[in-house]
Amino acid sequence: AQSVSQHNHHVILSEAASLELGCNYSYGGTVNLFWYVQYPGQHLQLLLKYFSGDPLVKGIKGFEAEFIKSKFSFNLRKPSVQWSDTAEYFCAVMEYGNKLVFGAGTILRVKS
Amino acid sequence: GAGVSQSPRYKVAKRGQDVALRCDPISGHVSLFWYQQALGQGPEFLTYFQNEAQLDKSGLPSDRFFAERPEGSVSTLKIQRTQQEDSAVYLCASSPGSSNYGYTFGSGTRLTVV
Repeated sequence: AQSVSQHNHHVILSEAASLELGCNYSYGGTVNLFWYVQYPGQHLQLLLKYFSGDPLVKGIKGFEAEFIKSKFSFNLRKPSVQWSDTAEYFCAVMEYGNKLVFGAGTILRVKS
Repeated sequence: GAGVSQSPRYKVAKRGQDVALRCDPISGHVSLFWYQQALGQGPEFLTYFQNEAQLDKSGLPSDRFFAERPEGSVSTLKIQRTQQEDSAVYLCASSPGSSNYGYTFGSGTRLTVV
């Protein structure tokens, strides 16, 4: 079964700083990859997803992620964070049967 | 409705009590999933329905957990004889049927067993 590692549990950044959150999954083959975000008090929302094609995926709110097959990675990036990006971010891989396997999450706090 | 609706939002149960958690998926969504999210962890898969058929229940932690979706829309997750380790947020997600869309999650039910 797949597993997902998110290397940073807590990240604190100042506004306008660049963001990169790491995500690695355990084994290869064809993978469908996701990043979800959970703002305080809200439900999980899809930020972006990768199924095939261009390994650089652009999502909502200026986020992007790069799929690097050789590294089993799908890191999330944003060039300049805002205070409103304070949230918890989850990386996930789709396993057989359409179920998602999530990482433990990264809590991002952006200082204004 | 516009999103996935879960009720109740919060539930406190005494150890040994039975609980039932409800999920109203987006109308017309074929696939429905239940996940369990313990404090400080990511969501973990419990079970999956396609219409009324429960296609995968491999994530249910014990036979005290039971899920149903009898008419292919609303789903109920039942936990019998609750124990403290059942305390978690229970999330429901639905999708139109193709995984290409990703999933829409509800806000969850936070269960606390005391």
